[in-house]
Amino acid sequence: NAGVTQTPKFQVLKTGQSMTLQCAQDMNHNSMYWYRQDPGMGLRLIYYSASEGTTDKGEVPNGYNVSRLNKREFSLRLESAAPSQTSVYFCASSEWHSNQPQHFGDGTRLSIL
Amino acid sequence: KNEVEQSPQNLTAQEGEFITINCSYSVGISALHWLQQHPGGGIVSLFMLSSGKKKHGRLIATINIQEKHSSLHITASHPRDSAVYICAAYGGATNKLIFGTGTLLAVQP
Repeated sequence: NAGVTQTPKFQVLKTGQSMTLQCAQDMNHNSMYWYRQDPGMGLRLIYYSASEGTTDKGEVPNGYNVSRLNKREFSLRLESAAPSQTSVYFCASSEWHSNQPQHFGDGTRLSIL
Repeated sequence: KNEVEQSPQNLTAQEGEFITINCSYSVGISALHWLQQHPGGGIVSLFMLSSGKKKHGRLIATINIQEKHSSLHITASHPRDSAVYICAAYGGATNKLIFGTGTLLAVQP
């Protein structure tokens, strides 16, 4: 009963390095989301995919790219990591991009030195 | 001013106490979500409500649409209730979830 699986759980990068955060869901959900969580701030939407084949910017998309690889998988890429991208990243999914509960992964704690 | 505000930011209670966490929002919404985040990070959806009241075990969520206010109550609190409780409003101009900053609850035995 995996739900939403994120990899890796922890990562340390140097400024300028690139990496991809992976997310997969096994609930046959249509919509997937990437959030970042920073101290003193609520979760903020980076990008989302309302359905397979579509992606849209959220509140804080700068410095990130996403790929909806198939219905199950939605990846987040940092092309040139910056210290300001140090955060905890959460992937979530919901049946549709509408007012429905979202199911969250366990998060990826990312530090950029 | 944040569109979704929670109070208090931190709350310490003794086991058995009745707990209330408040959430106010300034946007038009179609529903209000309450989520729980345990130490170690996992986030779980507790409630989604657009009117009235919902109850699940010792947790009760209420919403007053006219006053743009929601509350999460925990009856007979227990140390395992210690977590961050987050409210999120769905709707407004963005048609997405707008999250509050969370309330850190510690229930002491």
